[in-house]
Amino acid sequence: KAGVTQTPRYLIKTRGQQVTLSCSPISGHRSVSWYQQTPGQGLQFLFEYFSETQRNKGNFPGRFSGRQFSNSRSEMNVSTLELGDSALYLCASSLVPGSNQPQHFGDGTRLSIL
Amino acid sequence: QKEVEQDPGPLSVPEGAIVSLNCTYSNSAFQYFMWYRQYSRKGPELLMYTYSSGNKEDGRFTAQVDKSSKYISLFIRDSQPSDSATYLCAMQQAGTALIFGKGTTLSVSS
Repeated sequence: KAGVTQTPRYLIKTRGQQVTLSCSPISGHRSVSWYQQTPGQGLQFLFEYFSETQRNKGNFPGRFSGRQFSNSRSEMNVSTLELGDSALYLCASSLVPGSNQPQHFGDGTRLSIL
Repeated sequence: QKEVEQDPGPLSVPEGAIVSLNCTYSNSAFQYFMWYRQYSRKGPELLMYTYSSGNKEDGRFTAQVDKSSKYISLFIRDSQPSDSATYLCAMQQAGTALIFGKGTTLSVSS
């Protein structure tokens, strides 16, 4: 069974640009969550999607947005990139939302801002 | 005080040692507790998943949760060089997002 797939694996952008990252969940998983991982802050929750609806949102500015499609695939977008947005962006999927459903992670997209 | 505290290490042990990794937390509403392992340039891999207090064993790994002390542990027996990775604790209350510790870097030397 294929795991969570994130594309691209690496991205280099410059300040002010925007970027879109993609996540394909494990087959049958309908909940997708996004996290930002940095050495200083660790893993921080961005948002969670289920049935094409955002269920939860972390404490990030509005430049960070996401969406989910009817096949459960998800994208996140970051506009007006800042140097501090350099991070590993991780996607995790679970069968459905809920605390009794463990989340499984992809290998992430490493975003570097120049 | 951060919601979840985890000693970043690094922790270096010889092959075969017993490793103890720990996290403390402040939110008594946390009910679900997880340990993830993350290798360099990879995503976190779920190792252990427990609900409420108690112990759970899976092979060389044992997870312990003490809700009265707000303290969770992961024990690794007979540690191997392949166990060298960053270990992340995570916890969750019903209906909310996972909260992670910052991770402990473990190095097992042969």
